[in-house]
Amino acid sequence: ETGVTQSPTHLIKTRGQQVTLRCSSQSGHNTVSWYQQALGQGPQFIFQYYREEENGRGNFPPRFSGLQFPNYSSELNVNALELDDSALYLCASRRDEGSPLHFGNGTRLTVT
Amino acid sequence: GIQVEQSPPDLILQEGANSTLRCNFSDSVNNLQWFHQNPWGQLINLFYIPSGTKQNGRLSATTVATERYSLLYISSSQTTDSGVYFCAVATLSSGSARQLTFGSGTQLTVLP
Repeated sequence: ETGVTQSPTHLIKTRGQQVTLRCSSQSGHNTVSWYQQALGQGPQFIFQYYREEENGRGNFPPRFSGLQFPNYSSELNVNALELDDSALYLCASRRDEGSPLHFGNGTRLTVT
Repeated sequence: GIQVEQSPPDLILQEGANSTLRCNFSDSVNNLQWFHQNPWGQLINLFYIPSGTKQNGRLSATTVATERYSLLYISSSQTTDSGVYFCAVATLSSGSARQLTFGSGTQLTVLP
């Protein structure tokens, strides 16, 4: 039990649509990050939020955006979905820079 | 960016056997974690080990930061150990984000 919960577990969307994925972290975990894992690959860093502000971003286009809320919940939004966005999306959180990152169970997104 | 190489890519063991998984990285790191991803996609943190040696039951890990590698040892393997093992690192040059860069993983299959 990592204390990081994600919803929904599975989602099917059509190309061009928009999607919002949700994550709830442990109390006190001020840092939340999102990763995309395509089939057969390791997770790729999308972006990170610290105390409700984005403080790092990977090689993903602006149509990937996020929000972090004071209650330790966060969202990943993806606009104009493409077929290649089909993947497992993982949320992770940690207490501080010297702490390990703990992952949720992920949301499996399929874009048709 | 930092390169993370894991070996072997695939490993098949008989139940009860021991194994060693290796992770090489190309830059100095301030965070290194080993994860186990089960067949349902759940990514479980095994060790937070930027340096030194740790043990947890049948698993142990050693990171030699000066030589830029880490080893994960699995003793007396069980069928439930099957899955993909990922090494992930964060570098001193990652900035405030400290995002993890994942290797491509080792697919472990333990046969009964």
